[in-house]
Amino acid sequence: QSVLTQPPSVSGAPGQRVTFSCTGNSANIGAGYDVHWYQQLPGTAPKLLIYGDINRPSGVPDRFSGSKSGTSASLAITGLQAEDEADYYCQSYDSSLSGWVFGGGTKLTVL
Amino acid sequence: QVQLQESGPGLVKPSGTLSLTCAVSGGSIGSGSWWSWVRQPPGKGLEWIGDIYHRGITNYNPSLRSRLTMSVDKSKNQFSLKLNSVTAADTAFYYCARLYGSTDFNKKHFDYWGHGTLVTVSS
Repeated sequence: QSVLTQPPSVSGAPGQRVTFSCTGNSANIGAGYDVHWYQQLPGTAPKLLIYGDINRPSGVPDRFSGSKSGTSASLAITGLQAEDEADYYCQSYDSSLSGWVFGGGTKLTVL
Repeated sequence: QVQLQESGPGLVKPSGTLSLTCAVSGGSIGSGSWWSWVRQPPGKGLEWIGDIYHRGITNYNPSLRSRLTMSVDKSKNQFSLKLNSVTAADTAFYYCARLYGSTDFNKKHFDYWGHGTLVTVSS
């Protein structure tokens, strides 16, 4: 059971917009701690996709965007492409753990 | 560009000690960053293990703290993980990563990751 809750799966057709939710509580996202998102392609290590709620590292397309409100955060992908098929994880700091927590991950299927 | 490479035995016996090393290249381990371990059981999600600063300050996951030791070797530009009394539940891909970002510790993120190494606990 992950501290941050993510839906197990999301799907969309090429060109569509999809969103991923990440729900926490007052010890993590709700406390104002930053949310970060990672993309994990099959058989590879996670890759930083969004940091500090809304920021994209150099090289990440602007099709990817992040937002946060209250105890939840979201990742959106517009103009969905087949290469986006991957697992997506959110991460934040948790004050009760005094450390880092991840969501359980959401598997994106491009139809 | 910072690169990280994990190394260590791929098979550990139950009740034994899991030992891994992460070699850092393209940057100094004493650059002011924190360095971390994250693991992922096959087919499952990510779990934070712990962090270490180049001066040896550590931050461990409470669920692993009693079995965990992390260390830094600045002369070799690498850091290490030892997890003792392992069981099958410790079977996972183990990733090393750089914990980077804001001066506020609780705003940091993992920006560079190693490729990961699978450690299986089995007799």
